[in-house]
Amino acid sequence: DAKTTQPPSMDCAEGRAANLPCNHSTISGNEYVYWYRQIHSQGPQYIIHGLKNNETNEMASLIITEDRKSSTLILPHATLRDTAVYYCIVRLGLQGAQKLVFGQGTRLTINP
Amino acid sequence: GAVVSQHPSWVICKSGTSVKIECRSLDFQATTMFWYRQFPKQSLMLMATSNEGSKATYEQGVEKDKFLINHASLTLSTLTVTSAHPEDSSFYICSATRLAVSYNEQFFGPGTRLTVL
Repeated sequence: DAKTTQPPSMDCAEGRAANLPCNHSTISGNEYVYWYRQIHSQGPQYIIHGLKNNETNEMASLIITEDRKSSTLILPHATLRDTAVYYCIVRLGLQGAQKLVFGQGTRLTINP
Repeated sequence: GAVVSQHPSWVICKSGTSVKIECRSLDFQATTMFWYRQFPKQSLMLMATSNEGSKATYEQGVEKDKFLINHASLTLSTLTVTSAHPEDSSFYICSATRLAVSYNEQFFGPGTRLTVL
């Protein structure tokens, strides 16, 4: 699976949009971009995933660049409960191994 | 979303004893379950992949005789830490995969915190 690069930490003010970048320059054509987050002492929580097109759900939006070498997770109106470590993971979908390989992630702190 | 439970949520044991951790998918059948370990301030590290009715596949560096995995049904996988030592103290997390329309959804349990004295 392709490796990803994320900033180790970010801060964001409550109520503002939090934009978390992820670099995956070695991604291959059939690999998906997944985002998970882990609130302290809990299991990871799925947020969103995408292949080529931008995606949006009730939690967040995922913007993938046209060359697919990077993506941005957007939390439109961050709240204090969004403070967590956010993991960007690239992996094959149905075709390949199902395991998720976690990097170090970005520790996002939402400030009041 | 689908629910995955773990039991116990925390356990404290003496060095040399064995500890069993259960992972259950409550409202779906899991084609595959995974076991992760997480040390303080570190990321999740995959330990093994478990498929129902077959032997688990362990990641490099993980001792299969120390971390016994049994996947007896499509809704239950167990991890037994045998002869636990203080260095085995960690946060153990399982996940379960549900086959969806175009990709494999993976859902995580809440984790089990193991402390070995």
